[in-house]
Amino acid sequence: GAGVSQSPSNKVTEKGKDVELRCDPISGHTALYWYRQSLGQGLEFLIYFQGNSAPDKSGLPSDRFSAERTGGSVSTLTIQRTQQEDSAVYLCASRSGLATYEQYFGPGTRLTVT
Amino acid sequence: ILNVEQSPQSLHVQEGDSTNFTCSFPSSNFYALHWYRWETAKSPEALFVMTLNGDEKKKGRISATLNTKEGYSYLYIKGSQPEDSATYLCAHNNDYKLSFGAGTTVTVRA
Repeated sequence: GAGVSQSPSNKVTEKGKDVELRCDPISGHTALYWYRQSLGQGLEFLIYFQGNSAPDKSGLPSDRFSAERTGGSVSTLTIQRTQQEDSAVYLCASRSGLATYEQYFGPGTRLTVT
Repeated sequence: ILNVEQSPQSLHVQEGDSTNFTCSFPSSNFYALHWYRWETAKSPEALFVMTLNGDEKKKGRISATLNTKEGYSYLYIKGSQPEDSATYLCAHNNDYKLSFGAGTTVTVRA
């Protein structure tokens, strides 16, 4: 079956612009995560959605970052007024439910802020 | 904040040689330990999920062990091949969140 997909695969934007990153999780997966990896760093948790529960936003680095998940499926991560330190690979992952641990990752979006 | 450490940060291996590297994690509130392989421009691929102390998992030439009491896991690659070149990520599961290490980047030289 289809895996997790993300778009765009690469995004170059100017400092101060807004960007939107999209994630299509595996069909039927109730949990969705956003992570990012900055150069030389480990994967950093950003936000978690589980079903209809309130999302865990504890990893979002600033109020310029927001995410939504419409209809329990597709998710969009929005970064407003991008800064150079936002340059990173943004990864999305989905998980089938509360009874499992394994997360399935998309290929990521490489964001470069110039 | 959970602290997952991986070492070494990178290593070079001659084709045919075996290698191993480590992941250390907090031993309290343990749920699961994950290993992923991440090749450039691809999705991180799940290798193993381990939950029990003493767990040993194997997938082809790659295997992993887990010690939850002392908080470490080893990943072994036997008879390395060029296609094993990748970054290997370790992640500690605390409830529903994964805390990742920075990875060990393996380069296999032909």
